[in-house]
Amino acid sequence: KNQVEQSPQSLIILEGKNCTLQCNYTVSPFSNLRWYKQDTGRGPVSLTIMTFSENTKSNGRYTATLDADTKQSSLHITASQLSDSASYICVVKGYSTLTFGKGTMLLVSP
Amino acid sequence: EAGVAQSPRYKIIEKRQSVAFWCNPISGHATLYWYQQILGQGPKLLIQFQNNGVVDDSQLPKDRFSAERLKGVDSTLKIQPAKLEDSAVYLCASSLVGPGEAKNIQYFGAGTRLSVL
Repeated sequence: KNQVEQSPQSLIILEGKNCTLQCNYTVSPFSNLRWYKQDTGRGPVSLTIMTFSENTKSNGRYTATLDADTKQSSLHITASQLSDSASYICVVKGYSTLTFGKGTMLLVSP
Repeated sequence: EAGVAQSPRYKIIEKRQSVAFWCNPISGHATLYWYQQILGQGPKLLIQFQNNGVVDDSQLPKDRFSAERLKGVDSTLKIQPAKLEDSAVYLCASSLVGPGEAKNIQYFGAGTRLSVL
């Protein structure tokens, strides 16, 4: 069964600090892995997409890594800002289907 | 570029009532998705259209849920009759290319928050 597990479930950090969110998956076949940011009351917005051959991809202060051998991904947020407070969802694409994780709820505190 | 439009933003109904949600995807996007997102969970795909044809509705509770995309543009999702467990946010998304394409990016609407009392 295709599954995407994210950790931690929730996280509180101080503004300006860095943090790392984790994603483990068992999806086969594997096509790509995406990280989405979902602000409260809004739909998810794509941050990064990585295929099998891509180990890292950055989008501003967001850097995603992928280890296709261990089926793990991480999303690193540098110098966090209050606007980073959101749910971060890891999504893995198989042949044509998407498997969503439950998300990590991040709260950046002033 | 206009995003995915959904309406209404909020809806409160009593159980056993009917409700309908509307979605207008980004212009030119052939693929349209409806997701159900229960509080604290990731979105769950309900149905996926390619133009006006259904690609995947394996997780759609067909005894009470229905969806259509008659002209391959706008779509409506209906629940009849609603149950308490249908309380969730219903997200619509669209993408330019089909689900088989490696990097089809989905663009989501803001969702409709449904509360069933």
